[in-house]
Amino acid sequence: QVQLVESGGGVVQPGRSLRLSCTASGFTFSDYGMHWVRQAPGKGLEWVAVMSYDGNHKYYADSVKGRFTISRDNSRNTLYLQMRSLRAEDTAIYYCAKDVTYSRDAFDIWGQGTMVTVSS
Amino acid sequence: SYELTQPPSVSVSPGQTVSISCSGDKLADKFVSWYQQRPGQPPVLVIYQDTKRPSGIPERFSGSNSGNTATLTISGTQAVDETDYYCQAWDSTTAVFGGGTKLIVL
Repeated sequence: QVQLVESGGGVVQPGRSLRLSCTASGFTFSDYGMHWVRQAPGKGLEWVAVMSYDGNHKYYADSVKGRFTISRDNSRNTLYLQMRSLRAEDTAIYYCAKDVTYSRDAFDIWGQGTMVTVSS
Repeated sequence: SYELTQPPSVSVSPGQTVSISCSGDKLADKFVSWYQQRPGQPPVLVIYQDTKRPSGIPERFSGSNSGNTATLTISGTQAVDETDYYCQAWDSTTAVFGGGTKLIVL
């Protein structure tokens, strides 16, 4: 079945780095845009970044621009989020989500999420 | 930056019809999506491109978008529909979510 599985979360000190991964199965990964969306504890949803199906276009939320990098390996059906200079306000569940199109539209498939806690 | 505004909560009696609003400047110029999120679970897409329902979503969920307001309507509301709902749209290359609405089924 169609599935997204995130990994790589954990507890990290402020200023440090972490890389998240999202492995896809059950659909042609290379045909769709892919996103990262996060949700701080008890808060709403916040979009983080998107990468187009071919990796040629990527866009970021202002809150992470210059610190986070989205990438994908279509041969491995995997999406990544490299997070640097982490701050306490980056603490959240990070979800990987599939777009309904090759680029930017709605998010029709979501992973279960991976928790990132930034704390000293 | 672009903002989407939702009411924090909306109440409805079982079996009745309820509407959840999402307001933004010239929102009708954009496609709006709606997500349902139960506690401890990832969001589920219930409406996209203003009015389309993904497969598996009950027909009682419908959407509209006009002027500055998009609306998610649930007909024949059931107790199982009591949870959080988020609207979302794209402002150029940035995705924006509304703050979320808690639907209370009394």
